[in-house]
Amino acid sequence: DTAVSQTPKYLVTQMGNDKSIKCEQNLGHDTMYWYKQDSKKFLKIMFSYNNKELIINETVPNRFSPKSPDKAHLNLHINSLELGDSAVYFCASSPHSPRGAEQFFGPGTRLTVL
Amino acid sequence: AQTVTQSQPEMSVQEAETVTLSCTYDTSESDYYLFWYKQPPSRQMILVIRQEAYKQQNATENRFSVNFQKAAKSFSLKISDSQLGDAAMYFCAYRSAHSGNTPLVFGKGTRLSVIA
Repeated sequence: DTAVSQTPKYLVTQMGNDKSIKCEQNLGHDTMYWYKQDSKKFLKIMFSYNNKELIINETVPNRFSPKSPDKAHLNLHINSLELGDSAVYFCASSPHSPRGAEQFFGPGTRLTVL
Repeated sequence: AQTVTQSQPEMSVQEAETVTLSCTYDTSESDYYLFWYKQPPSRQMILVIRQEAYKQQNATENRFSVNFQKAAKSFSLKISDSQLGDAAMYFCAYRSAHSGNTPLVFGKGTRLSVIA
C-alpha cells in the first residue's frame, strides 16, 4: 500500500496556465507538507498543514494556494504558472507528536513549464 | 533560523569500500533531530538514518552509521561496504523538536557515485 501518493507524477504545461497537484496519505498523520526541489536539487519547505489548518507559509508567492479538504489530503494549486515554477514538488506527512519525528515523502511531481 | 551545510557536492567510492559524507548545522536549540535521506534517480526520498539530539549514542542502521558531535554541530554519515545501489544524492536534514509539525531543513546534498 502506498503511504503518501501524489498525482500526477509528471506535469508539462504552458506559461500562464493554472494547475493542481494532489496528495493523499493513508498513515493517519496529522501534519502534511509541501516541499519544492529546484533544478539544483535544493529542497525547501513551502507549506505545512496540521489537521487541515495552515501552520507554515514560507514566503511562497500567492499564486500558490494549498488546500486541505481533510487531514489525509493536501492539494497544491498554482495559478498563472511561470518558467521559474519548474521543479519537483514533494508532499510529505508526519505524526503531530513531538517525538514522532520522521517525515514520509510522496514520489514527487515533476512540473515543467514551457 | 537553522541552517544545514554539506560541503561536499560530489563524492565517489569504490565498491566494497567505506565513504564518509559530511554535514554541519547551526542552531540555538538543544532538542532536535537529524536525518540522512537518500534520493536515487527514481527521485523517491528514502530515510537512511536518524539521530535524536538528546541521545549520545551514535545511530546505526546496518551498513550506515553516523558520527554525531553535538558540541561541534557535526553529523557525518559513514557508509561501509559500499554497493552500487548506494549511488544517489544524500541529503542531511534538521528538524526542531519543539513542536510536532516543524518542517525539515535540508542541506544542498552530496552526490555519491559508486565505482565498480
